[in-house]
Amino acid sequence: ETGVTQTPRHLVMGMTNKKSLKCEQHLGHNAMYWYKQSAKKPLELMFVYSLEERVENNSVPSRFSPECPNSSHLFLHLHTLQPEDSALYLCASSQGHSVGSDGYNEQFFGPGTRLTVL
Amino acid sequence: SQKIEQNSEALNIQEGKTATLTCNYTNYSPAYLQWYRQDPGRGPVFLLLIRENEKEKRKERLKVTFDTTLKQSLFHITASQPADSATYLCALNTGRRALTFGSGTRLQVQP
Repeated sequence: ETGVTQTPRHLVMGMTNKKSLKCEQHLGHNAMYWYKQSAKKPLELMFVYSLEERVENNSVPSRFSPECPNSSHLFLHLHTLQPEDSALYLCASSQGHSVGSDGYNEQFFGPGTRLTVL
Repeated sequence: SQKIEQNSEALNIQEGKTATLTCNYTNYSPAYLQWYRQDPGRGPVFLLLIRENEKEKRKERLKVTFDTTLKQSLFHITASQPADSATYLCALNTGRRALTFGSGTRLQVQP
């Protein structure tokens, strides 16, 4: 156990559905991340939240909508997805020294949500 | 364009030998580099971090080197064991709090 939990672990949805992925970290960290991992491709950073403020958005389509209500919880809201969005979605957290500092610390990953879009 | 390359998609070695994995990058000047291990169906697990002013870092049977002139990091596992079989990912800091990952090398240690 890394201290980062994700639910659900598996999700199958149609292209017209709306669903949400949830991530919770129990480590007292102040930054949280969403990554996408597709087969045969590197981990792709989607969003970064630092102290509940979004500090990075890697040109992700608007059908993915993140939400960070507090430093322990992170959501990824999904709507009108495409089959190519099927992938493993990973959440991670880390502890930085301050909002303006670089993340010179390791990231702790959750187990991921395996998403299949039909 | 910016690129991170890990030497091969798969590496097979015999138990007890040293595994050496390579991470090369172009068009970055990272302040630090990290290595992670990922098992099938699970999230990556942090192993080691090395800063640009450090040449080498060790942790038990693991050793990482970082050559900013060659733009390369080497990751060594000595006295390898079948339990070391996994995918190993290198990652560079490429922005405030952002990490960019390589595609990984799948290591298989044969008993």
